[in-house]
Amino acid sequence: GAGVSQSPSNKVTEKGKDVELRCDPISGHTALYWYRQRLGQGLEFLIYFQGNSAPDKSGLPSDRFSAERTGESVSTLTIQRTQQEDSAVYLCASSLGATQPGELFFGEGSRLTVL
Amino acid sequence: GEDVEQSLFLSVREGDSSVINCTYTDSSSTYLYWYKQEPGAGLQLLTYIFSNMDMKQDQRLTVLLNKKDKHLSLRIADTQTGDSAIYFCAESLSGYSTLTFGKGTMLLVSP
Repeated sequence: GAGVSQSPSNKVTEKGKDVELRCDPISGHTALYWYRQRLGQGLEFLIYFQGNSAPDKSGLPSDRFSAERTGESVSTLTIQRTQQEDSAVYLCASSLGATQPGELFFGEGSRLTVL
Repeated sequence: GEDVEQSLFLSVREGDSSVINCTYTDSSSTYLYWYKQEPGAGLQLLTYIFSNMDMKQDQRLTVLLNKKDKHLSLRIADTQTGDSAIYFCAESLSGYSTLTFGKGTMLLVSP
């Protein structure tokens, strides 16, 4: 597609359930990022994939959060045993990697509500 | 650690200039960015400035960087109602490292 695509756009779940959020980056983009945007807060870095390098997982808030990426394509962010504080918009972004300074292309986000 | 601070809200009238300010703490920042988020949309890169520059102009946008004070500003000339959005300041240590974002400044432009 032309842009970064995320699904689902909205997800409502019950506390304790697992959720999976999907991101399709722009074709050819080697770098992929997940950020979290909680109400009234800035963007919180979660995880960064760059090509075949080991991902930078330093932003994951707990071991309930994990993410995978298949090659240089789709990424899935998984949150296990969701808690109410996990409610947020989860933003995915991709970029060409080292060739363009910080030009991240963002998806519209997946809004997660944990009841 | 890295920290980026912005004022949360700015209201201006159509046709006026808007100035959105940002401060950051990491003196190693190499690139500083302004992103725009319109309602219901993802963030879009507006402009960026390399740390060895002190000013960058792009049509109605002027970015000023005071590296000594770690202060970044975005000036929008002749602000239009379509400029109403949330503006995020961000920094990175290199061209391909992760970005640290501020909380965003909501700009409201009234007719």
